[in-house]
Amino acid sequence: GQQLNQSPQSMFIQEGEDVSMNCTSSSIFNTWLWYKQEPGEGPVLLIALYKAGELTSNGRLTAQFGITRKDSFLNISASIPSDVGIYFCAGHGGSQGNLIFGKGTKLSVKP
Amino acid sequence: DVKVTQSSRYLVKRTGEKVFLECVQDMDHENMFWYRQDPGLGLRLIYFSYDVKMKEKGDIPEGYSVSREKKERFSLILESASTNQTSMYLCASNGASAGANVLTFGAGSRLTVL
Repeated sequence: GQQLNQSPQSMFIQEGEDVSMNCTSSSIFNTWLWYKQEPGEGPVLLIALYKAGELTSNGRLTAQFGITRKDSFLNISASIPSDVGIYFCAGHGGSQGNLIFGKGTKLSVKP
Repeated sequence: DVKVTQSSRYLVKRTGEKVFLECVQDMDHENMFWYRQDPGLGLRLIYFSYDVKMKEKGDIPEGYSVSREKKERFSLILESASTNQTSMYLCASNGASAGANVLTFGAGSRLTVL
């Protein structure tokens, strides 16, 4: 079945640093989504991507839908302590089926 | 503000007890989902429903059942809870429209089975 590989698994960074994480798929996706989950809460949608090559920003966050349609990345610029949480990518192949989730990237930010 | 509401945020149950996890959405969404989340394993789909009275097995349905008697409500049932069902349970929904792949999640129900 379809699989998503998300990396890195965890990151420990200093406040102010930039962050980059990515997801790769074993098959083509038509939709890429990025979610953030804060401790004790459910995932919240950050960015949705629907077109190969699409680059979308949401404040300090930027995400891109890879040209091959098999990958996506999320960048966070100038990290702050409230960026801590688990970031999930999710993809959908466009046919019958449900979203496929990556296993998450746990981000820790040291003030 | 549209919402998916999981009424029980924290539960502690004993092995063998029957457990009900309730989820309600106010977005008139057709599709509802139950996931469990465990460290290192990410989100795993338990059951989902595309319509009232309909249910489909996800990737890990064993030990669970669901009920969807009304469009806005999707319940997860553990008939006889076991310790390996200690987990965070997440409910989500989406609609059959543009952007339909986007799931809206509830805040989660953390279940501990002793």
